[in-house]
Formats: sequence, C-alpha cells, structure tokens
Amino acid sequence: DAGVIQSPRHEVTEMGQEVTLRCKPISGHNSLFWYRQTMMRGLELLIYFNNNVPIDDSGMPEDRFSAKMPNASFSTLKIQPSEPRDSAVYFCASTTGTGDQPQHFGDGTRLSIL
Amino acid sequence: AQSVSQHNHHVILSEAASLELGCNYSYGGTVNLFWYVQYPGQHLQLLLKYFSGDPLVKGIKGFEAEFIKSKFSFNLRKPSVQWSDTAEYFCAVKKAGGSYIPTFGRGTSLIVHP
Repeated sequence: DAGVIQSPRHEVTEMGQEVTLRCKPISGHNSLFWYRQTMMRGLELLIYFNNNVPIDDSGMPEDRFSAKMPNASFSTLKIQPSEPRDSAVYFCASTTGTGDQPQHFGDGTRLSIL
Repeated sequence: AQSVSQHNHHVILSEAASLELGCNYSYGGTVNLFWYVQYPGQHLQLLLKYFSGDPLVKGIKGFEAEFIKSKFSFNLRKPSVQWSDTAEYFCAVKKAGGSYIPTFGRGTSLIVHP
C-alpha cells in the first residue's frame, strides 16, 4: 500500500505565480479530498471528488483556486495567481467512499507564498 | 449541518499523566466517529474509529475513546501519556452510511514534557 502521494512536499514561490499541487490517491479509492491547514483556521475542506467528479467545492476560497481530477489516479489543485495568504499546508486524502471507511491522508504540501 | 467542537485547543502534560481530550458534535442521526493524530511535520493518521457496537473503542498506542450518545460526545483518553504522544489530535464526525463528508474539529495540540 503506497498510501496517498502528494507532490511537491514543499513549495516556495513569489506572489502572482501559478502553483500546482498534485495528488495520487490510493488505488481503488474513489473519493478524493483536498484540505488546507493553517494555524488560524485549522483543517478546512476545499473540494471533494467522487468517481472523478467534483461533488462539493463550496470550500474553495476564490476563483483563483481550481481543482481537477482527470482520472481515478490523479488530481491537481491549482492556485493562479497565488497570494501570501494562500500559505498553508495542503493535504490530499482518499477513501473508498463506501461511507464507513476513514480517510487516508497524504504527507501534504507545505506552500509558502512570498 | 453537523459541527464538531474540541474544547481544549492546547494541552500540556508531563509524562505519565492521564489524558482526556473532549469532542462534542451536533447531529441527531447515526454517526461515524474518528480520532486522527498528526505528529509534528507529518500527515493525519487514524487513531481509532467508532461505527457501532461497544461504545468504548480501543485504538493504537494505548488510546481509547468512549461514545456517549446522550451527550453527543466522543472523548479521547489515555491513562499514561508519553513524550512521543506530542502531536495534534483531530476529532471527526460524519453521517453514517453513504458518501458523506466528515467534519473535522479544530484540533487539540498536545505537548508532553519528559
């Protein structure tokens, strides 16, 4: 079991730049979640996919944020243009989506926008 | 909408002290309950879960939690903490069944002094 794989682990970039975060869920999991974690707000759900389809994106803060899941084994979270307040740790999680299973989290991407 | 409240934001203990972290939720239906742990610099990992049956749930590393339905609570306990238990602890609740999205609490930061 390779677990949820996220890349990059760390990203430092200047404001205004485009940032793309990547996630590979656990094989066989059909639900994928993107979370943002900050000291101020804790763990926030940004978007949730089920069978590659975005089900709930109400947590996406602004139009600068977008997420895609082109296939069952890959998802991206893009921020364009990035701002300093986007600095956070972004986690991807997956689950089988049967409703009774816990989420499995990736190691996260620590994003710093200068 | 369901919500999760973790009353203790920061807890500082000495080794061998007993631990109890509070978690209350607001949802009147059947729920699944989880406790996750996040060690410094790492991703969230499942500590224990409750779906049905015995309301006293045993997890890894000597942790346990008790589901008290009448109090809408799922408190986490450990009789004797260790320095290695220093971490952030998250309670999560979701409606039982289906592809519901879990709601996470803000987390409790536990520091254990050797």
